[in-house]
Amino acid sequence: AQSVTQLDSQVPVFEEAPVELRCNYSSSVSVYLFWYVQYPNQGLQLLLKYLSGSTLVKGINGFEAEFNKSQTSFHLRKPSVHISDTAEYFCAVRNRDDKIIFGKGTRLHILP
Amino acid sequence: DVKVTQSSRYLVKRTGEKVFLECVQDMDHENMFWYRQDPGLGLRLIYFSYDVKMKEKGDIPEGYSVSREKKERFSLILESASTNQTSMYLCASERQGANLNYGYTFGSGTRLTVV
Repeated sequence: AQSVTQLDSQVPVFEEAPVELRCNYSSSVSVYLFWYVQYPNQGLQLLLKYLSGSTLVKGINGFEAEFNKSQTSFHLRKPSVHISDTAEYFCAVRNRDDKIIFGKGTRLHILP
Repeated sequence: DVKVTQSSRYLVKRTGEKVFLECVQDMDHENMFWYRQDPGLGLRLIYFSYDVKMKEKGDIPEGYSVSREKKERFSLILESASTNQTSMYLCASERQGANLNYGYTFGSGTRLTVV
């Protein structure tokens, strides 16, 4: 079965600084990858997804992620974070049985 | 705008009570899911359904059951609530056919406290 590892449970970063949230997945023939964001006291919403094609995927709110097959990674980046980016971020992969498997989440703290 | 609606944002129930968590989607999605979310554990799949009257156990089904009598509604039932079922419960739905790959649409969650 596929699995997803988010290497950092919490990431503090100063406002307007760049951020990278790390995600590694177990390898498979076909890979469909997702990043979701959960704002405080809300459900998850889709940030971006990689299905095929260009390895650099752009999402909402200025986020982007790069699919790296050789390193089995799908790290999420933003060049300049804002206080409104405070949230928990989940990396996910579609499993062979077609269900989506989620990582344990990374909590992004924006420092003033 | 497409929606997954969970009937309650916050619930407080007593130990031993039977609890119903309701989820309704207006997108004509075939697939529906129930997760619980706990700090440090991420999202854990409780039950899912790919069709009306169909249900499958997820990773942690013990203490829970589900009902799907209509396509748009997927109910999670705690037969006899216990304090270790205090958690955030998230419902999600998806159109069938993985090649579409829109990903799941989530509801806003129900934070259940069992006292």
